[in-house]
Amino acid sequence: KNQVEQSPQSLIILEGKNCTLQCNYTVSPFSNLRWYKQDTGRGPVSLTIMTFSENTKSNGRYTATLDADTKQSSLHITASQLSDSASYICVVSAESPHSWGKLQFGAGTQVVVTP
Amino acid sequence: DAGVIQSPRHEVTEMGQEVTLRCKPISGHDYLFWYRQTMMRGLELLIYFNNNVPIDDSGMPEDRFSAKMPNASFSTLKIQPSEPRDSAVYFCASSFRAGHSPLHFGNGTRLTVT
Repeated sequence: KNQVEQSPQSLIILEGKNCTLQCNYTVSPFSNLRWYKQDTGRGPVSLTIMTFSENTKSNGRYTATLDADTKQSSLHITASQLSDSASYICVVSAESPHSWGKLQFGAGTQVVVTP
Repeated sequence: DAGVIQSPRHEVTEMGQEVTLRCKPISGHDYLFWYRQTMMRGLELLIYFNNNVPIDDSGMPEDRFSAKMPNASFSTLKIQPSEPRDSAVYFCASSFRAGHSPLHFGNGTRLTVT
C-alpha cells in the first residue's frame, strides 16, 4: 500500500479561482514533506519543504500546510493561472541514516486551469 | 546555473539493444539520483550516489540495469539488453547535502523500447 495518498486524482478549475490539494501519509518516522510541481514533459520542481516543526510555508501563490499529528498536508493555490496547470506531487521523507532512499512519492494530483 | 542536464531527451530503440542515458548534475551537488516514472507506478528511485559512490541501488529492477558515476559531473544509466517494459521516462536529479535539501530534477529521457 502506498504510504502517501493524494486527493483528488485530478481537478479542473477556472482561472482566477483558488483550489486545495490534499496529501495523507503514513510514513514513519517522519522527517519532512515536500510538494513538487511537474509540468508536462518536464521534471518535477520543488515548491516547498516542511519539517515536523513547520505547519505552514508559502512560495508565491502556493501555500502548504502540515499537520504532523494527523499526518496530513495540503497545498493551496491562490488566484490560479493557466501556468498552474500541472501535476502536483506530495513526497514524504522518513527519518533514517539513508533518508534519501526513503522518499515516498504520491501519485500526484493533475490540475487543469481553464480560461 | 544550467540545472541538471540529461541526454538524450528521447530514445527509441529495439528490444535487445543497449541503451545509455546520461546526466550532468548541478555543479557542487554531492548527491545524484536516478528515477523512473511511469503512469502505473509513478516516480520510483532506482539508485543514488553520494560523492560519486553508489549508496543504495535496491531500486534497480534487474541486472540488466547498471549505473556509474565516474566523476562529480557525470553519470550514466545503462540498460542492456533493453525490453519493452523498460519504456518510461527516466529522470536524473541532484542535491546539495542531505536531509531537507530540495531535489533538482532534469527534464528526463523518454525511452521507448519496441
